[in-house]
Amino acid sequence: AQSVAQPEDQVNVAEGNPLTVKCTYSVSGNPYLFWYVQYPNRGLQFLLKYITGDNLVKGSYGFEAEFNKSQTSFHLKKPSALVSDSALYFCAVREKDTGRRALTFGSGTRLQVQP
Amino acid sequence: DAGITQSPRHKVTETGTPVTLRCHQTENHRYMYWYRQDPGHGLRLIHYSYGVKDTDKGEVSDGYSVSRSKTEDFLLTLESATSSQTSVYFCAISGSGDGLGFGYTFGSGTRLTVV
Repeated sequence: AQSVAQPEDQVNVAEGNPLTVKCTYSVSGNPYLFWYVQYPNRGLQFLLKYITGDNLVKGSYGFEAEFNKSQTSFHLKKPSALVSDSALYFCAVREKDTGRRALTFGSGTRLQVQP
Repeated sequence: DAGITQSPRHKVTETGTPVTLRCHQTENHRYMYWYRQDPGHGLRLIHYSYGVKDTDKGEVSDGYSVSRSKTEDFLLTLESATSSQTSVYFCAISGSGDGLGFGYTFGSGTRLTVV
């Protein structure tokens, strides 16, 4: 079975400061990992993915994430937060070497960036 | 969202009535999914499809059925709506060549209220 944990319901950060949104995962084999963002009353938008290769993945809007296999983590980061980054963020995982394509999502982390 | 539409966007229905939600895609993707989003639970998989007439259950499938008679349409039916099915329902699609590395494109969601 695959699972994702997002330990923080909410993260607060001041504009201009670095931000981190945490994600840990559990799969039997190797993972595909994703981050999505949801703005109010909208669907989820793809931010970035880790499939293979470099552990540091860069995505949309200046976000990046680091895959750490030993800690089974895939934390989302941004060097300098913007007020417009305030949204709900979801981490998702699926196991790489199975035929099952469905993603398992975490419970979400609300990011609040204060001006 | 481009290439995937959900209808209706909002619906209020009475307990015990059947309800059908529609997901329509123009991307010719093989895989389609229905999730529900609830506070504190993130997104949970209801059913998914890996081709015409090929569907399978997700983690919260009780009380729901699906059908896929055409590549472009994936229908979710609540057989007899209950208040616990009040939620926001998201459809997603995935397929090769979409640049998302097996990630999803999401619809805008259907907000369903069962009274």
